[in-house]
Amino acid sequence: QVQLQQSGTELVKPASSVKISCKASGYTFTSNYMHWIRQQPGNGLEWIGWIYPGNGNTKYNQKFDGKATLTADKSSSTAYMQLSSLTSEDSAVYFCAIGVEFAYWGQGTLVTVSS
Amino acid sequence: DIQVTQSPSSLLASLGERVTITCQTSQSISNNLNWYQQKPGQAPMLLIYYATSLQTGMTSRFSGQYSGRSFTLTITSLEPEDIANYFCLQHYSAPYTFGAGTKLELK
Repeated sequence: QVQLQQSGTELVKPASSVKISCKASGYTFTSNYMHWIRQQPGNGLEWIGWIYPGNGNTKYNQKFDGKATLTADKSSSTAYMQLSSLTSEDSAVYFCAIGVEFAYWGQGTLVTVSS
Repeated sequence: DIQVTQSPSSLLASLGERVTITCQTSQSISNNLNWYQQKPGQAPMLLIYYATSLQTGMTSRFSGQYSGRSFTLTITSLEPEDIANYFCLQHYSAPYTFGAGTKLELK
């Protein structure tokens, strides 16, 4: 069955970067879009962008241009999102999800930005 | 960007009651809207895709309809396991956008 296993909770300092992973199994990794989504209390859900692991193509929500960088490693069926220049406003739960329909989601990774 | 207006933001309902949640989009998106259920601390689960199609494995208590830019999720007879947050997602054009969510609670 399809599984998306995300990396664990991160506590990071302001101005630093963090890299979250999403390990996929149960489907063809290279043939499905991988989306990243942010969920913040009070701000709801926001789409960050997608990567197509088959060719590495990416598309970003303009709001997250320069903030998020999406990559994928075909050899390990793992997608990554790096968030840079972190501020407290980046504190959130981040999800990965696959497919045009966002059919399956990872369990989420909590990122807390605090000094 | 396409705006998605979801209502109500919260809903109190009794077991066995029929529940309806609505999303309205700021422009036409055909049927490119999905509905999800999310319980606290868990990943969202796809309920309905392309506005009316029930995801495999989901109970037929859930159904979706749409007319123009208005989309509805209906729970025909509320069960205890349906208590959760619900949100919609338009995947017609990027940036893909979400409804603000509906918190469904027991009366």
